[in-house]
Amino acid sequence: DAKTTQPPSMDCAEGRAANLPCNHSTISGNEYVYWYRQIHSQGPQYIIHGLKNNETNEMASLIITEDRKSSTLILPHATLRDTAVYYCIVRVGNNAGNMLTFGGGTRLMVKP
Amino acid sequence: EAQVTQNPRYLITVTGKKLTVTCSQNMNHEYMSWYRQDPGLGLRQIYYSMNVEVTDKGDVPEGYKVSRKEKRNFPLILESPSPNQTSLYFCASSGIGLVRNEQFFGPGTRLTVL
Repeated sequence: DAKTTQPPSMDCAEGRAANLPCNHSTISGNEYVYWYRQIHSQGPQYIIHGLKNNETNEMASLIITEDRKSSTLILPHATLRDTAVYYCIVRVGNNAGNMLTFGGGTRLMVKP
Repeated sequence: EAQVTQNPRYLITVTGKKLTVTCSQNMNHEYMSWYRQDPGLGLRQIYYSMNVEVTDKGDVPEGYKVSRKEKRNFPLILESPSPNQTSLYFCASSGIGLVRNEQFFGPGTRLTVL
C-alpha cells in the first residue's frame, strides 16, 4: 500500500469548513483513498473513500487531484464533536487482506 | 443496531495470568481483526481472520493467540501476559471483496499488565 503524509495537527473554528490534506504521491492505479477518524480513544470510524472522482456523503467530501497524488477531506461545517484524529489510508479497494495501515494522522482541534 | 462489542472494556491483570478479550459482531461479516494502539506507534494489526477457522498473523502477533470457531466471535487470547502488552486493543470487522470495505471497530479494551 502507498505511503501517506498528513500534517500532524490543525485547528478549525466551529462552523467553518475543515480542510484536511493528504499526500500520497506513490499511489498506484488500483489504490483507493480512505479516510477514517478516531475520537479520543474510541474505535476508528469510516468517513469516506474514493478512487479518482470527488465524493460526498453525509459526513464529508473528498477531493482527489487529477494526478491522484494528493487529496483533501472537507468537513463543511465543523462542530466541536469533529475534534478527532483523522487518518488518510491508501490501499487496494477489494484487498482480500483487508488490513488498514494507520499512519500518524492529523489531529484536528475544532475551537469555539 | 449493527455493532462490534468487546469485553471487558477495562482490565488490570498481573504478569503471566492468562486472559481472554472477547469480540463479537452482529453484521455477518467474514473478516475480523485485532489491533493494538500505543502512543507514538499508532494502530497495529495483531491477527486477522478471513472466515471461520481461517486466521493469520498481522504485524505484531507475538504473545497473542486467536480463534475463529464461529463467524460472529473472534476472541484474543494472551496466554502469559507481560507488561509490554499493556495497550488499547480494538477489534474490527468488515465484509470482504467490497470496494467500500468499511471496517467497523469496537469500543476498545484498555489492558494494563502489572
